[in-house]
Amino acid sequence: QKEVEQNSGPLSVPEGAIASLNCTYSDRVSQSFFWYRQYSGKSPELIMSIYSNGDKEDGRFTAQLNKASQYVSLLIRDSQPSDSATYLCAVKGTGTSYGKLTFGQGTILTVHP
Amino acid sequence: DAGVIQSPRHEVTEMGQEVTLRCKPISGHDYLFWYRQTMMRGLELLIYFNNNVPIDDSGMPEDRFSAKMPNASFSTLKIQPSEPRDSAVYFCASSLEGELAGSNEQFFGPGTRLTVL
Repeated sequence: QKEVEQNSGPLSVPEGAIASLNCTYSDRVSQSFFWYRQYSGKSPELIMSIYSNGDKEDGRFTAQLNKASQYVSLLIRDSQPSDSATYLCAVKGTGTSYGKLTFGQGTILTVHP
Repeated sequence: DAGVIQSPRHEVTEMGQEVTLRCKPISGHDYLFWYRQTMMRGLELLIYFNNNVPIDDSGMPEDRFSAKMPNASFSTLKIQPSEPRDSAVYFCASSLEGELAGSNEQFFGPGTRLTVL
């Protein structure tokens, strides 16, 4: 089992729809979770971080965390063509792995007009 | 701040040659990470440093790869000898950890696209 798994995609949604991206992780003691966006040919950039169970909203983005189910999701409301990118879920290590991020394989999102 | 700086941005070399990738982290950051990204394997952590000390190099694929961080503002990743399967984009990232760090975000450099012929 991979440490961080994402829905494989690719995911295609019409402009204005809600895009839902999912991620599961294997380390039960993980405390910090991140969503990065990566445009083609560019480096990853952080768009959301979440540390507590529940929802965290930032503009059109909502991150959801359920530690009991070891599940993190990202919702993008009112999707725009400019949201088309690869989205990477990352989980921060604990203990001797503190500071280290483990990334999922990424989900390619395409928002079509 | 200029962000994480990497050089060169592109490197094309022939199999068997030595390749050196360079990284300057954000000033004041205490963690530095080297990643490799390919279509097949995604984004893989190769090695990371804390306060210039290597913490975990378990992601380094083999002895052909080595990394150093002689001071807080510079790191290198060396491949010797290079092979075609090393072709990838190599990213350097840095972060500031700890209670005063705020978001603990990892900031990525623009990457070096390496092609080994």
